[in-house]
Amino acid sequence: QSALTQPASVSGSPGQSITISCIGTSSDVGGYNSVSWYQQHPGKAPKLIIYDVTQRPSGFSDRFSGSKSGNTASLTISGLHTEDEADYYCCSYAPGSTWVFGGGTEVTVL
Amino acid sequence: QVQLVQSGAEVKKPGASVKVSCKGYGYAFTSYAVHWVRQAPGQSLEWLGWINAGNGATKYSQKLQGRVTFTRDTPANTVYMEINSLESEDTAVYYCTRSILGNFFYFDYWGQGTLVTVSS
Repeated sequence: QSALTQPASVSGSPGQSITISCIGTSSDVGGYNSVSWYQQHPGKAPKLIIYDVTQRPSGFSDRFSGSKSGNTASLTISGLHTEDEADYYCCSYAPGSTWVFGGGTEVTVL
Repeated sequence: QVQLVQSGAEVKKPGASVKVSCKGYGYAFTSYAVHWVRQAPGQSLEWLGWINAGNGATKYSQKLQGRVTFTRDTPANTVYMEINSLESEDTAVYYCTRSILGNFFYFDYWGQGTLVTVSS
């Protein structure tokens, strides 16, 4: 199973919106509504921020939203805050009860 | 509250084995699967496989199939990951994480990570 494709880096100014793409195939992203997104700050464990393509964990900021079209999932961060500076990973369920992660995107707040 | 607590850092020589533990607190241990994910220095996350903490069924990634084994000790709410024939490319932080058994496909809580260093 090949890793999902994400841009290496995305940047934006405070208050702006950015979108991170996650490109898979019809066997993973396109085949299931089971895309999740994780935020990882340096030296920390990943943290779930979006699951089932569009759902946010209880209490998590509504500035984060997810969507999917065909084989591409997207994470949008609205109203960028400095604390949003982190690495972001998409993940999809895949055939045979397996999972596959994206290559990760470094978000920089200018 | 829910916690996954992993064992401490390990340094191993090439060809050796390593066993990492992950103990669950604050939830119904046997109602979840525990997955293992690793992250080599400066690299992305890599899914390694999972164990059904209820019945012990396992699934391994193709890359590590044959070198990795997941086991569980349900009275101790603990799962273990053992990797044999270690190579320098196995140097990474290893995370355990959980997903609810059934039609749930995301990882909601993560362990703190265990650094495994393979070096001669």
